[in-house]
Amino acid sequence: QVQLQESGPGLVKPSETLSLTCTVSGDSIRNTYWSWIRQPPGKGLESIGYTSYSGSTNYNPSLKSRVTMSIDTSKNQFSLRLSSVTATDTAVYYCARDQAVYGGFDYWGQGTLVTVSS
Amino acid sequence: SYELTQPPSVSVSPGQTASITCSGDKLGDRYVCWYLQKSGQPPVLVIYQDSKRPSGIPERFSGSNSGNTATLTISGTQAIDEADYYCQAWDSSTARVFGGGTKLTVL
Repeated sequence: QVQLQESGPGLVKPSETLSLTCTVSGDSIRNTYWSWIRQPPGKGLESIGYTSYSGSTNYNPSLKSRVTMSIDTSKNQFSLRLSSVTATDTAVYYCARDQAVYGGFDYWGQGTLVTVSS
Repeated sequence: SYELTQPPSVSVSPGQTASITCSGDKLGDRYVCWYLQKSGQPPVLVIYQDSKRPSGIPERFSGSNSGNTATLTISGTQAIDEADYYCQAWDSSTARVFGGGTKLTVL
């Protein structure tokens, strides 16, 4: 059974960098794509982007200048960094296994609420 | 950037058929996925590649995609199907795009 678990600070100050890690079990991080998706309170889902072991990445154009994703194969984890955050970045952040056109986002983490506030 | 449009809300009576649409330019040329999300929980994949159901998803969930519109159909809708539903596709740059979501109410 594939499981994903997000971890990281729940509170980030404005202008600082949001950093989250997703730990994967039940599958190798070397397989397929791995995505980050967020959901502001009371709103819909927004794809932040994806990364893969092969180095393939794609970031949401609206966030591209502030986003970095990476993979740590030794820990079977992937990470998200979002710089220069503002209150509009307050959201539940989900990590998900991304099977692309072959299967969509088939496994999701439980999500972690990140609040941007001083 | 590519956009997907869903109706904000759909209502259905128990036992009836619910249809939720997702519109986008030439959407029929792309694969579509559907997710349901209940309050406080992560989304769950219910349809991929337009019409395929993942293991464990009830047969009452079905999907189609043609022209500019994809449709999620729930036959014999049950109270437990009340949730937010999101469609998702890929734009020309392989970026993943979500629709705005549809709140399904089972009256």
